[in-house]
Amino acid sequence: GAGVSQSPRYKVAKRGQDVALRCDPISGHVSLFWYQQALGQGPEFLTYFQNEAQLDKSGLPSDRFFAERPEGSVSTLKIQRTQQEDSAVYLCASSPRTDSGNTIYFGEGSWLTVV
Amino acid sequence: AQSVTQLDSQVPVFEEAPVELRCNYSSSVSVYLFWYVQYPNQGLQLLLKYLSGSTLVKGINGFEAEFNKSQTSFHLRKPSVHISDTAEYFCAVSTSGTYKYIFGTGTRLKVLA
Repeated sequence: GAGVSQSPRYKVAKRGQDVALRCDPISGHVSLFWYQQALGQGPEFLTYFQNEAQLDKSGLPSDRFFAERPEGSVSTLKIQRTQQEDSAVYLCASSPRTDSGNTIYFGEGSWLTVV
Repeated sequence: AQSVTQLDSQVPVFEEAPVELRCNYSSSVSVYLFWYVQYPNQGLQLLLKYLSGSTLVKGINGFEAEFNKSQTSFHLRKPSVHISDTAEYFCAVSTSGTYKYIFGTGTRLKVLA
């Protein structure tokens, strides 16, 4: 079946511009995660959804970052007034269950460059 | 809180040689451990995971890892690497009752001809 799909794959934004990154999880997956991966680093947790409920947003770096999953399927990560330090790969992942030993499935990421 | 340390940022190895990628974790509770691989311009793909039971875990592409509770380690091994194994490898940890996966900084494996 189809995997986790993210769009756009590549985005160049001017500093101060707003961006929206979309994630289509695997159909039926309850859990959805957003991670940020800076160059040469491992993925850093941003936020977690269980269906439409955002249960954890502790990793969002500032109030310029906002995520939603209104119908419990597609999710959007929005970054307002982008800054150069926001340049990174944004990874979406989904999982069919909610328990922590579960495998999470990653998309290919959205590469954001802020100039 | 949990943490993961991958001490080796880069590991060069010749084709058909064995390799070990090191991972150490820190946690005050029982953990679940994972190894993911990331090929260039692709997402992360699960290689193997340890949940409980046998401490030796076998994964895809001939990789295996051993959970060592006393040394808080979960090192990844392969007896004979191929050029196609060139990629970034990430160790990750989670704990029961949480959903957050904590990743290490990654080890870049470069297989040389």
